[in-house]
Amino acid sequence: AQSVTQLGSHVSVSEGALVLLRCNYSSSVPPYLFWYVQYPNQGLQLLLKYTTGATLVKGINGFEAEFKKSETSFHLTKPSAHMSDAAEYFCAVSGGSNYKLTFGKGTLLTVNP
Amino acid sequence: DGGITQSPKYLFRKEGQNVTLSCEQNLNHDAMYWYRQDPGQGLRLIYYSQIVNDFQKGDIAEGYSVSREKKESFPLTVTSAQKNPTAFYLCASTPTWGQNTEAFFGQGTRLTVV
Repeated sequence: AQSVTQLGSHVSVSEGALVLLRCNYSSSVPPYLFWYVQYPNQGLQLLLKYTTGATLVKGINGFEAEFKKSETSFHLTKPSAHMSDAAEYFCAVSGGSNYKLTFGKGTLLTVNP
Repeated sequence: DGGITQSPKYLFRKEGQNVTLSCEQNLNHDAMYWYRQDPGQGLRLIYYSQIVNDFQKGDIAEGYSVSREKKESFPLTVTSAQKNPTAFYLCASTPTWGQNTEAFFGQGTRLTVV
């Protein structure tokens, strides 16, 4: 079985500060990892994904994430937060013959002026 | 533009009624999914369909039903057996079943029991 743990249901940062959203996963097979963003009352939009190859993945809107197998982590970062980054962020995993996405419970990012 | 359309955006249901949420995609995707989202719970899988005329229960299928008669359509019925139906419902699709690809999502339907 696979699972995702997002540490911190709510993260608050100041505009211009570093954004760090944490994601740890559990998977018995090499994982495929995803970060999605959700704005209020909207669907989910893919930020970035890790499948194979380079462990540092760059996504849209200046976000990136690093796959660390030894730590079973896939933390999302952005060097400088913008007000428009305020949203909920979801980490998800799939892998092997389990093609269904398993989601974490989400982290709400607040950006303060 | 290709995408997934969910309707209606807001839906109100009286207790004891069945309601059907619509999901249509023009992405030519084989696989489709329904998720339920509650505050602080993340997304939980209700039903999924790998291909037309086929579907399987997800993790929380009780009180829900689906059909997949057309490739582009995957409606979800919330029945009176679902005891706590108030939630945000998201429909998604992937190009094929059998690959670990990202899912594309609709804009969601917010269902409220009144």
